[in-house]
Amino acid sequence: QVQLQQWGAGLLKPSETLSLTCAVFGGSFSGYYWSWIRQPPGKGLEWIGDINHSRNTNYNPSLKGRVTISVDTSNKQFSLKLTSVTAADTAVYYCARGGRYSRLAPIDYWGQGTLVTVSS
Amino acid sequence: DIVMTQSPDSLAVSLGERATINCKSSQSVLYDSNNKNYLAWYQQKPGQPPKLLIYWASTRQSGVPDRFSGSGSGTDFTLTINSLQAEDVAVYYCQQYYSTLFTFGPGTKVNIK
Repeated sequence: QVQLQQWGAGLLKPSETLSLTCAVFGGSFSGYYWSWIRQPPGKGLEWIGDINHSRNTNYNPSLKGRVTISVDTSNKQFSLKLTSVTAADTAVYYCARGGRYSRLAPIDYWGQGTLVTVSS
Repeated sequence: DIVMTQSPDSLAVSLGERATINCKSSQSVLYDSNNKNYLAWYQQKPGQPPKLLIYWASTRQSGVPDRFSGSGSGTDFTLTINSLQAEDVAVYYCQQYYSTLFTFGPGTKVNIK
């Protein structure tokens, strides 16, 4: 059974950098696309971006170059960094698994979510 | 970007009755080369991450009860919950994965009448 366990700082000040990491347990890591998705409190889902084991990344243009997703294949982990955060970045952030060998696939496993609050 | 819309925003259905949720995409998510619709449905309960219910518009994910079904093609899709159970109270989202910029619908909240 695939499990995604995520962690990172939950309270940030404006202009700081959000940093989250997700570890994958069970199943294969190689070949899959690994995503970050966020959900502001009481609102809908926004896809942030993804990466595969070859470090091929794809980002949501709405985040205007503030986002970086990286991967550590030896430890089966992937990470999210979002710079210059504002209150608008307050959300529950989820790590998730996408398709194998194809980016165009549904998200079938999700982490538990991390609430990140940006407040001065 | 492919914009996803859903209707209604919320609905209340009696236990054992049918719930129907509609999803529309701003452009077709049907890939001509393989005749597949790149459309998924997710269920999200309070305090939990979303759960994949349906992919390729009509294929149930393993372990999902058969009272959940998906239909539609091109730009118009439907999620049907037959014989609504108390545990089906949740928000339901559609999502397109036709484009590498994944987008979700705004969600439909299902409650018990």
